Amino acid sequence: NAGVTQTPKFQVLKTGQSMTLQCAQDMNHNSMYWYRQDPGMGLRLIYYSASEGTTDKGEVPNGYNVSRLNKREFSLRLESAAPSQTSVYFCASRGVSGVGNEQFFGPGTRLTVL
Amino acid sequence: AQSVAQPEDQVNVAEGNPLTVKCTYSVSGNPYLFWYVQYPNRGLQFLLKYITGDNLVKGSYGFEAEFNKSQTSFHLKKPSALVSDSALYFCAVKLVGVSGYALNFGKGTSLLVTP
Repeated sequence: NAGVTQTPKFQVLKTGQSMTLQCAQDMNHNSMYWYRQDPGMGLRLIYYSASEGTTDKGEVPNGYNVSRLNKREFSLRLESAAPSQTSVYFCASRGVSGVGNEQFFGPGTRLTVL
Repeated sequence: AQSVAQPEDQVNVAEGNPLTVKCTYSVSGNPYLFWYVQYPNRGLQFLLKYITGDNLVKGSYGFEAEFNKSQTSFHLKKPSALVSDSALYFCAVKLVGVSGYALNFGKGTSLLVTP
């Protein structure tokens, strides 16, 4: 049981390049989330998927797109990377039952945009 | 809007002393509150949560948190700090009216425990 996995761990892009961050969970969780973490700003929600087949914008969705490929996988795409998107990106998932069920986080992807 | 505030960027404690990491909340309705810890170069790990019931919540690694409705606070505490507790701590609140139980996180408090 690997939990939440993310690939790649590190990535350097040039301004304007595109890339997709991959996330997968093996806990049969319904909900999945993408956050970005910046110094002094905590975690900010980019997009989330409450269940397979649905996606919704979070606090900072501009410049990103997501795909809930199936119940296990939730990818984040940067179509045209900008230096402001330099950040650490975390994927998380949450189980189906209980209003207080906690989110489980992946190890993160450290992205630098030059 | 549902939000939490962590008023301290950093907390310094000597090993063996009690520690407190502060969190205040602003919510409409009943708050669902969480504490997470992040060790260097790692993802966030769940520590504890308050949903309803007892105001004192016990969690992982000897941590506990006290929910105080009158002061709108949810401070994280530990009776005796360890050097290994040094990490970044985040308070979070569940967003109401948003599907999927998304969380709104505070900015984080860096805890440094010195030997």
